[in-house]
Amino acid sequence: GEDVEQSLFLSVREGDSSVINCTYTDSSSTYLYWYKQEPGAGLQLLTYIFSNMDMKQDQRLTVLLNKKDKHLSLRIADTQTGDSAIYFCAERGYQKVTFGTGTKLQVIP
Amino acid sequence: DGGITQSPKYLFRKEGQNVTLSCEQNLNHDAMYWYRQDPGQGLRLIYYSQIVNDFQKGDIAEGYSVSREKKESFPLTVTSAQKNPTAFYLCASSLTPGPGQGSGKTQYFGPGTRLLVL
Repeated sequence: GEDVEQSLFLSVREGDSSVINCTYTDSSSTYLYWYKQEPGAGLQLLTYIFSNMDMKQDQRLTVLLNKKDKHLSLRIADTQTGDSAIYFCAERGYQKVTFGTGTKLQVIP
Repeated sequence: DGGITQSPKYLFRKEGQNVTLSCEQNLNHDAMYWYRQDPGQGLRLIYYSQIVNDFQKGDIAEGYSVSREKKESFPLTVTSAQKNPTAFYLCASSLTPGPGQGSGKTQYFGPGTRLLVL
C-alpha cells in the first residue's frame, strides 16, 4: 500500500525557522496536505499544495514539493510557542488519502 | 458557525458494551469519514460515506458499524467485537466524495472523541 513517512520529533528555539519533512510513495498523488494537531484536539488544516506546483507560501508557512523525489516540506518562519503541536503530512492519490505518523514540534522559549 | 461537532469529548466503555460516537456537520458536505488515531501512529480509516444511505469499509472496519440516514450525521458504533477500542476517534467531512482531483475533496476534521475502556 501507499506510505507516508515523517520524522517523529523536531525541537527548535523560539524565533528560529522550523522545517518539517515528509516523503511519500504514491506516484498518483494529486494533493498534499499539512495538518496541525494540538493536544487533545482534532486536526486543523494548515495548507495544501496541488501536485503540479513546487512551492506555496501562506504568511509564515512555506510548502515545498519535489515531485520527482516524492518529498514534501513545511517551513514555519519565526516559530512561536503557539506552534508547538503535532504536524501531519497527508497525500491524496486516486484511491485514498494516506496520513503520515506525525512530527511533534517542540518550541523552546 | 459552520463546522463539525463530535460528542462526547470523552466516552467510557464497559467490557461487552456497544457505544456510539456522534458526528454532525453543518457544512453541507456530501462525504464523511471516521478515523482512529493511536499514539505514534497515523490516522487509520474505519468507514466512510460518500452519500446518504451509503457507506464503505475502510482499512480497519472490523468491530465497528456506521449509519448515514441524514446528510449531516454519521454516527460510529464501537461494538463489543472490537477488542482494543481505546483510541482517539476523529470524524472528518469533505465537500465532494472520493479520492482523485479537486480541492473540494479536502477533508476537515472535528475535535475528536477519546474512548477509554473501564
